[in-house]
Amino acid sequence: AQSVTQPDIHITVSEGASLELRCNYSYGATPYLFWYVQSPGQGLQLLLKYFSGDTLVQGIKGFEAEFKRSQSSFNLRKPSVHWSDAAEYFCASNFGNEKLTFGTGTRLTIIP
Amino acid sequence: KAGVTQTPRYLIKTRGQQVTLSCSPISGHRSVSWYQQTPGQGLQFLFEYFSETQRNKGNFPGRFSGRQFSNSRSEMNVSTLELGDSALYLCASSLRGVRSEQYFGPGTRLTVT
Repeated sequence: AQSVTQPDIHITVSEGASLELRCNYSYGATPYLFWYVQSPGQGLQLLLKYFSGDTLVQGIKGFEAEFKRSQSSFNLRKPSVHWSDAAEYFCASNFGNEKLTFGTGTRLTIIP
Repeated sequence: KAGVTQTPRYLIKTRGQQVTLSCSPISGHRSVSWYQQTPGQGLQFLFEYFSETQRNKGNFPGRFSGRQFSNSRSEMNVSTLELGDSALYLCASSLRGVRSEQYFGPGTRLTVT
C-alpha cells in the first residue's frame, strides 16, 4: 500500500543547532514528494518538493531535503534552526495522482 | 497574487445541523482539493474538483459533498453533523497535474457540539 511515514512525533532542538526530520515512503515507483510546515492555527505552507533529477532539493526558509531511493526516504534538514521554526512539519506524496497522502507530522520545539 | 482564502474561519454548529464552507483558489488555479485535519486521523483527503466536476474522492461518507463553480470557487457541505466532524477543514488549489504543487488556505475550524 502507498504510505508516508514520519517516525518522530515530537523533536526538540536547541536554537542554532542542526535539524533533521525523517520521512519514509512506500511506493512501487519514484513518488513526487513534498514537505509542508504548519504553524498553530494556520494552513500548510509548502517548503520544498521533489519530482525528479537532483536528489538534493533546496526550499524556502533555509530548508533542504535529500531523496534517497535506496532508503525510500526524503529527510528534511536545516543547518541552524531559529525559534521561528517551531511548528509542525508534514511530509507528503501524491503517488502519481491528484490527492496528497500525508505523514502523521513531526512537532518541532525549539529551546533557547 | 492573493493566496487561497477560506470562509468562515471559525464555525460552531450543533449535532444534526448542516454546514457549508467556502474556498476561493489562487487566481488561475482550476483545481481545488479539500482535506480534513483532526488530531486522531491527521490530514485526510476529502475530494478534488476540476472544471466543476469531482475528479477524485476520499474515503468519507456521503454526508460530505462539494461543488465547484465556473469561477473555480468551491464549497463543501456536511449534512447531519456528528461530533466527530469537528476538525480543521483545509482547501488547497493548484494548476492540476501530478507535478503541480498544492497551495493551502488557512482553513475553517469547525466545532460540533
